[in-house]
Amino acid sequence: SAVISQKPSRDICQRGTSLTIQCQVDSQVTMMFWYRQQPGQSLTLIATANQGSEATYESGFVIDKFPISRPNLTFSTLTVSNMSPEDSSIYLCSVIQGGYNEQFFGPGTRLTVL
Amino acid sequence: AQSVSQHNHHVILSEAASLELGCNYSYGGTVNLFWYVQYPGQHLQLLLKYFSGDPLVKGIKGFEAEFIKSKFSFNLRKPSVQWSDTAEYFCAVILSGTYKYIFGTGTRLKVLA
Repeated sequence: SAVISQKPSRDICQRGTSLTIQCQVDSQVTMMFWYRQQPGQSLTLIATANQGSEATYESGFVIDKFPISRPNLTFSTLTVSNMSPEDSSIYLCSVIQGGYNEQFFGPGTRLTVL
Repeated sequence: AQSVSQHNHHVILSEAASLELGCNYSYGGTVNLFWYVQYPGQHLQLLLKYFSGDPLVKGIKGFEAEFIKSKFSFNLRKPSVQWSDTAEYFCAVILSGTYKYIFGTGTRLKVLA
């Protein structure tokens, strides 16, 4: 299974600023995903990031707010822009490996916006 | 829209008690089903999965789940829980042939020693 790391593991940010979260995988993968897990809620898919193409965003998420980069097959970044307290959440990246679309998750980035 | 329901949000059990966590999904087509677990301070880990075949699937740490297609359910069971099973458990569904996971809201299990 893929080993995924994320940086930072947590951060406290001021309203109006931006934070870039990094996701590193120990093997090459085609598809990477970014999720948000808000307090007391389920995981919600933000976008799918494929190398060499624009990220595909889910309903309710836009590129201006959550720009994503995918420069190669082992790395991706998610930026949370112009943050507000409502963006306080855990952000997770995941990848698919194997023939059954099984996903493996990173440890998450806990973001608090004051 | 497709959805996944986990009816038990918080469960407290004593060690050696039996566990059953409910999971229902709303989709009439072919699905693949998963249970993930998140132990305190750790990342999400796959507990077990169902793709086809025997509807009773066995996972790690003595967990099992049964897919009942007629009930759109995929309940998680363990005959005897341990203190170390304290964690949050998530049911997830993907439509067969796709990669978009739909997660339930999770169930927080606390096992008392």
